[in-house]
Amino acid sequence: EAQVTQNPRYLITVTGKKLTVTCSQNMNHEYMSWYRQDPGLGLRQIYYSMNVEVTDKGDVPEGYKVSRKEKRNFPLILESPSPNQTSLYFCASSLALGLTTYGYTFGSGTRLTVV
Amino acid sequence: QKEVEQDPGPLSVPEGAIVSLNCTYSNSAFQYFMWYRQYSRKGPELLMYTYSSGNKEDGRFTAQVDKSSKYISLFIRDSQPSDSATYLCAMKATDMRFGAGTRLTVKP
Repeated sequence: EAQVTQNPRYLITVTGKKLTVTCSQNMNHEYMSWYRQDPGLGLRQIYYSMNVEVTDKGDVPEGYKVSRKEKRNFPLILESPSPNQTSLYFCASSLALGLTTYGYTFGSGTRLTVV
Repeated sequence: QKEVEQDPGPLSVPEGAIVSLNCTYSNSAFQYFMWYRQYSRKGPELLMYTYSSGNKEDGRFTAQVDKSSKYISLFIRDSQPSDSATYLCAMKATDMRFGAGTRLTVKP
């Protein structure tokens, strides 16, 4: 089944404790992206990657890191989480031809709480 | 002003009703227009994908794009309780921009 898999689904952590949210897709998509979803604000892009070893900032990158060492994986790293990073996070992937991407396939989400 | 505006609702309709969901936008460079459906505790799933102006129909769903008015719509005919979800509009020039979503409940 074609899918984007995120882990963990739920995570409660303390301020300052480094964490990684994993994302993997099995569709051979070039494009991958991370979003956070907050009430009233909708989906906001954190980082994206057009292909292996190519990453770029989205609209809200502060406090996050990403890497794209393999085509299928795109982990999101929070080096020192803070309470304002409490949110619902989604990984998405898409076929890309050049700079053109198409409809996204989303993972099921990771609900992160930082206390 | 947000680039994409979407009424958050909530919207509640009886089963069988025609539902109209709408978004307005300010960036005239948007060329690709999408609707996503998001069930509770799930990620958004692509429902409709259209390019430029016009209509696109898929079963009970019709997407309309009016670029002159910077307005897009999603119509759901013969709505079912299984259509209860949050509907997100999305549009793209180089970057994808999402609306905040409209929560729809279809009551049996």
